[in-house]
Order: sequence, then structure tokens, then C-alpha cells
Amino acid sequence: NAGVMQNPRHLVRRRGQEARLRCSPMKGHSHVYWYRQLPEEGLKFMVYLQKENIIDESGMPKERFSAEFPKEGPSILRIQQVVRGDSAAYFCASSPKGGTSEAFFGQGTRLTVV
Amino acid sequence: KNEVEQSPQNLTAQEGEFITINCSYSVGISALHWLQQHPGGGIVSLFMLSSGKKKHGRLIATINIQEKHSSLHITASHPRDSAVYICAAVKAAGNKLTFGGGTRVLVKP
Repeated sequence: NAGVMQNPRHLVRRRGQEARLRCSPMKGHSHVYWYRQLPEEGLKFMVYLQKENIIDESGMPKERFSAEFPKEGPSILRIQQVVRGDSAAYFCASSPKGGTSEAFFGQGTRLTVV
Repeated sequence: KNEVEQSPQNLTAQEGEFITINCSYSVGISALHWLQQHPGGGIVSLFMLSSGKKKHGRLIATINIQEKHSSLHITASHPRDSAVYICAAVKAAGNKLTFGGGTRVLVKP
């Protein structure tokens, strides 16, 4: 049973381009969380999804950011028209159910905007 | 004031020493996680606690719900324990994690 898989591990984008970050949860996990870690800062919640539904997106910036978790395939975090301030490590975690169930983290995608 | 606070921010220990990291939270929680993050690396979940104490190898985590406080202890520390340790709370009736600022631990040989 593979762990949470994120790809790519490293992503470089020029300002104005789009970034797509993928997260494949552990087998049997239907809950996915995205977190962002800005340089020299702590982790911050972005969005919580279940299959085909966004449950909580209170941590998502209002513009340019979107997330989905389709019935088939990985969860995608999409950042349109990237800016330098989007440079960060983006982590995905999955769990078999929400709330107090144990969360398993991926290795993260390190986005650099040049 | 952050809802989840950790102390100390940085800690340096000699190999073999006993290490304690503290985490205090100001909200009602249903569970608390301890996570480990190595430089440039991913995040590993060490423990999830809702009460009492858990032990795994040289790591021990405790939580006192009444005092809203949790500790992570590392016994017989080793240089490979050098990492950032993060506590994260699941708010009562919530799902997402709220993170402390992390404690950077360096264990010298």
C-alpha cells in the first residue's frame, strides 16, 4: 500500500503561468487535505475535500487558487497566474475518514516562481 | 495569540540527552497530532492523541486535556532525531489541522 503520492516534487514556474499540483491519497482514503508552508513559516490549512466535494475551503486564497478531487484520479491543486509569493511547499494529507482519524502526509511539492 | 503554541522554538541537545517539546492550545480539540519534518523533506506523522500517553520506540507523547497541554519526549536522543517537530490540533467537531510553529531540534554527536 503506497503512501500519499505527490507530484511533481519540485515545480518551477514563471510569473503568470499555471501550476498544477497532484496528490494521490493512500488506497482506501477518501479525505484529502491541502496545506501550504511558506518559507520560514508554519503550515497553514488550505482546503479539505472528499471525493467530488469541497468540504472546507476557508484557507484558500480568494483568487487564482482552486482544488478538486474527482471521482477517478488524483486531487489537483491549481494555481493560475502564479506570483512570486506563491513560492512555497504544498503538502497533501489523506485520511480514511475526517475528524480524528490519523492523517498521512505526502512528500510535498516545492513550487518556485521565478 | 496563536491557537496552538509550541516551546521552545529551537533546541540543541547532546546525543543521549532527554528532550521535551511542549505544545499548548487554547481551543477545544478532539485530537492532537505530533509530526516530524526533516530539512527539505516530507512530513511524517508520529502520534495522534486524544487522551493519555502513547509510546513508540524512543518517542513518548502525552496529553492533558484539562490543562490543554501536550508534550513530546525523546529519550536517548540521537543525531538522526534532528528535525522540526510540529504539533497540530484538530478542533472539536472539525476536520482540519491547526499547526503550532514547530520546534527545531538539533542533536549533536
